[in-house]
Amino acid sequence: GAGVSQSPRYKVAKRGQDVALRCDPISGHVSLFWYQQALGQGPEFLTYFQNEAQLDKSGLPSDRFFAERPEGSVSTLKIQRTQQEDSAVYLCASSLVQGSTNSALHFGNGTRLTVT
Amino acid sequence: DAKTTQPPSMDCAEGRAANLPCNHSTISGNEYVYWYRQIHSQGPQYIIHGLKNNETNEMASLIITEDRKSSTLILPHATLRDTAVYYCIVYMIKAAGNKLTFGGGTRVLVKP
Repeated sequence: GAGVSQSPRYKVAKRGQDVALRCDPISGHVSLFWYQQALGQGPEFLTYFQNEAQLDKSGLPSDRFFAERPEGSVSTLKIQRTQQEDSAVYLCASSLVQGSTNSALHFGNGTRLTVT
Repeated sequence: DAKTTQPPSMDCAEGRAANLPCNHSTISGNEYVYWYRQIHSQGPQYIIHGLKNNETNEMASLIITEDRKSSTLILPHATLRDTAVYYCIVYMIKAAGNKLTFGGGTRVLVKP
């Protein structure tokens, strides 16, 4: 498929464990975003990459959250020492270009993280 | 980016037009209105966007008032598959970092 792919679809972690969530953006898309969505809420911005450069990480809730996109394609969101409040759906989105009206975001279906 | 106000929920009859309002009274001249929707257990999906002219595509129509302080998303013939949360988002297109700020959206239930 040509859409944004995220894996795993579901992840259950014990409190204190580290997790890694993967995002495969649409091929050729320059920009990549991570969002966090709590139950019943709208998605909230976490971080943004343009190619391999992380240009905005203002939404990361703590230093336990780390994202990377080393080759400007696949991205990984890592959460260290997970806490129960980290339970949420983590959404990845990509867009072809920035700075134009052709910059609509294409979202994956997310990874649902449950911390027990 | 300008804040938007949407009703929290609305029902619509299948086959009828669904008109979803959005207020964005603090919108500035170079900010666009974007609409996304999120079907249960899926990521948000882009629907349509506009600056000041009305827009139409295969999914919906977007009507923006002349003063641009409000807009309406129209789903011309709602189907059960249009049941979703609809988000109205206003933001300025920049050279980089066009991050979307989602509000609470409108939960639309299409009924048979």
